[in-house]
Amino acid sequence: KNEVEQSPQNLTAQEGEFITINCSYSVGISALHWLQQHPGGGIVSLFMLSSGKKKHGRLIATINIQEKHSSLHITASHPRDSAVYICAAAGAQKLVFGQGTRLTINP
Amino acid sequence: NAGVMQNPRHLVRRRGQEARLRCSPMKGHSHVYWYRQLPEEGLKFMVYLQKENIIDESGMPKERFSAEFPKEGPSILRIQQVVRGDSAAYFCASSTRTGGGDEQFFGPGTRLTVL
Repeated sequence: KNEVEQSPQNLTAQEGEFITINCSYSVGISALHWLQQHPGGGIVSLFMLSSGKKKHGRLIATINIQEKHSSLHITASHPRDSAVYICAAAGAQKLVFGQGTRLTINP
Repeated sequence: NAGVMQNPRHLVRRRGQEARLRCSPMKGHSHVYWYRQLPEEGLKFMVYLQKENIIDESGMPKERFSAEFPKEGPSILRIQQVVRGDSAAYFCASSTRTGGGDEQFFGPGTRLTVL
């Protein structure tokens, strides 16, 4: 079993839908990162959180430390949100990555 | 304020050659991480370096791979005698402070193709 599990692996939705991507981890962490990898391959850091909830524009990330679970939500999804979303558990020295969720938003 | 720079962006090597991948961290960042993404796979940690020190190389293959982050200049990931299985995207990231608990800024990656 991977230390960081994401679900779903693939998600296709229509423009405007509310999107949820889940991440469960089994390791102790100092923080949980959400990353976005564009079709061209570049990686952007979306959030780093160690408790509670963070919001940036249409993106919301939450974490439940007791349950070792985090979610990434996208409100009013748009085709430009199509990308691979990756969660990563931060230990003392390094990140352990989930396998990624490939999101496709159709117009 | 330039972001993390990596070069080259694309590198083609024949089996047995050496590959040198460079990473210049963001200004003010003294911590560098290298990650590898094999085709159709997730990102995997390779090595974590501070200036002139390797802090954690637990993700590095034992042979042919080495990394450095000298006092001056970029961090270098070196792969000797490349094989087809080394074909992957190699990303570096930098941060201001230690470990995974600080936000990491990623470079655009170097895509290595071994013929």
